Amino acid sequence: DGGITQSPKYLFRKEGQNVTLSCEQNLNHDAMYWYRQDPGQGLRLIYYSQIVNDFQKGDIAEGYSVSREKKESFPLTVTSAQKNPTAFYLCASHFTGTGSNQPQHFGDGTRLSIL
Amino acid sequence: GDSVTQMEGPVTLSEEAFLTINCTYTATGYPSLFWYVQYPGEGLQLLLKATKADDKGSNKGFEATYRKETTSFHLEKGSVQVSDSAVYFCALNYYGQNFVFGPGTRLSVLP
Repeated sequence: DGGITQSPKYLFRKEGQNVTLSCEQNLNHDAMYWYRQDPGQGLRLIYYSQIVNDFQKGDIAEGYSVSREKKESFPLTVTSAQKNPTAFYLCASHFTGTGSNQPQHFGDGTRLSIL
Repeated sequence: GDSVTQMEGPVTLSEEAFLTINCTYTATGYPSLFWYVQYPGEGLQLLLKATKADDKGSNKGFEATYRKETTSFHLEKGSVQVSDSAVYFCALNYYGQNFVFGPGTRLSVLP
């Protein structure tokens, strides 16, 4: 079945450490997104990418970095500069071809905590 | 800019009660509208969508109608179940642009 796979499901970060969250999709979608969700809150956009080798900052990009070397992969690195990384991270993708707007598809998320 | 407003939760209902979750939007054009559902510890799942005025999206007993005149897309279900307990997000999107999500409304259904 096609879908979005996020790994790991749970991740712990030590002080001063960078960690990378994986996001892989086999839906052949062009656009991919990273959102942060804090407890009881909505979604905030971190980074997004419409095509390979190109990405843009979202509303809360500071302390995060991404790459888009392959269409199906969009990893997110949470750097040591992100002082409050504890949150639920969601990856999403959607098709941007012609025609009616297509919905975003989401992965099952990665929960990041500080040790 | 474009925005989505939802009724504040949590909404608590008894099983078999009627559900309405209000969603209104502010947009410069005519976006597509979506409802997503998020169960605890999971990602968002598409519940239904509507792409133009007067369209009705429906799925699993849930319905929502795209009302251009009131810029609304309220979610309804005639008889909720305990398994419907989740957080519901309203969202809009223009072709080729990013999605705009509402803050979410938590629904708790009691047996």
